Amino acid sequence: KAGVTQTPRYLIKTRGQQVTLSCSPISGHRSVSWYQQTPGQGLQFLFEYFSETQRNKGNFPGRFSGRQFSNSRSEMNVSTLELGDSALYLCASSLSTGQSYNSPLHFGNGTRLTVT
Amino acid sequence: KNEVEQSPQNLTAQEGEFITINCSYSVGISALHWLQQHPGGGIVSLFMLSSGKKKHGRLIATINIQEKHSSLHITASHPRDSAVYICAVGSQGNLIFGKGTKLSVKP
Repeated sequence: KAGVTQTPRYLIKTRGQQVTLSCSPISGHRSVSWYQQTPGQGLQFLFEYFSETQRNKGNFPGRFSGRQFSNSRSEMNVSTLELGDSALYLCASSLSTGQSYNSPLHFGNGTRLTVT
Repeated sequence: KNEVEQSPQNLTAQEGEFITINCSYSVGISALHWLQQHPGGGIVSLFMLSSGKKKHGRLIATINIQEKHSSLHITASHPRDSAVYICAVGSQGNLIFGKGTKLSVKP
């Protein structure tokens, strides 16, 4: 079974631009969650999608958004990029259906975003 | 105060030593996850716990719900165990992470 695939692996953008990151979950996984990792703040939860609906959302500004398609693939978008958005963005999929995070998480290798 | 606290922050061990990493949390949880992150960023899920104890190879994870505490043990440590170990708790739809424990195992 293929693992979680994130594209692209690396991305360089300038302030004010927008960016879209993609995550393809393991086949059969309907829950996809997104995380931001920075040296200062560590790992932080962005949002979780299940069956095309945003089920949970972390404490990030509205510039961070996402969506999930009928095949469970997910995208996240960051608009009006700021220098502080430079980070490793990770997604994870799981078999969780009812309560979130009650199944093991399978992480992708991440997208490293640099904002200049 | 962070909702998820890990200790120690850094740990250096000799090959073969028994290692314990601790995680304390202050919120109600639905589950607790232990994750391993190697240099380069890839994260692997080691355990998901909601009660009791789990074992996988040389790794053991325990959780005490009443005391809001979990431990990750590594028996017969090996240099390939060198990584950052992260505790994360599922709470009210959020996944809250500890700052991680950086483990270095010397041959």
